[in-house]
Amino acid sequence: EDKVVQSPLSLVVHEGDTVTLNCSYEVTNFRSLLWYKQEKKAPTFLFMLTSSGIEKKSGRLSSILDKKELFSILNITATQTGDSAVYLCALGDYNQGGKLIFGQGTELSVKP
Amino acid sequence: NAGVTQTPKFQVLKTGQSMTLQCAQDMNHNSMYWYRQDPGMGLRLIYYSASEGTTDKGEVPNGYNVSRLNKREFSLRLESAAPSQTSVYFCASSLLQGNPGELFFGEGSRLTVL
Repeated sequence: EDKVVQSPLSLVVHEGDTVTLNCSYEVTNFRSLLWYKQEKKAPTFLFMLTSSGIEKKSGRLSSILDKKELFSILNITATQTGDSAVYLCALGDYNQGGKLIFGQGTELSVKP
Repeated sequence: NAGVTQTPKFQVLKTGQSMTLQCAQDMNHNSMYWYRQDPGMGLRLIYYSASEGTTDKGEVPNGYNVSRLNKREFSLRLESAAPSQTSVYFCASSLLQGNPGELFFGEGSRLTVL
């Protein structure tokens, strides 16, 4: 059964800190791994990763995938209070059509 | 740009009552999904529709039914609501049939079953 585990479950940092969020997974036939940010309402898309070792970057956020060790990390540098949110990792499996399996999420709180 | 629209946004039901959550997308997407979100559980897939005319069970389908009314609309029905179905429900859609790419989510529907 496909599985996604995120760590830590919650994290409190101060503005300017750098954080690393972890996502490990088990999958039958890997297709893609996605990161989402969820503030008060709907999750919004951050990255989709399909190949090992290729970093995706958007401003202060970056993510990389290791398909050999079955994990991904999401880095946020120079954190701001607006980065406070739940970050969700999701897994796509070739055998599961277009479905995504989500992890529990990491709740990040950035203090001024 | 409406994107994915869910109704109602809030609903309180008594145990045993029925209700339908409505979802519509205006992006001409092929696939649509219903997830529920509970504290500490992330998002769990209830049902999905890879294309118009097809529906399949997800991780937690018990107690729910769905209808893909047309390409735009995908509804979720609770026939006899139970307190365990208290949750926030999200509808989502994606462009590519059978390809787990970016999902676009609605704003969510908060359901409380007393």
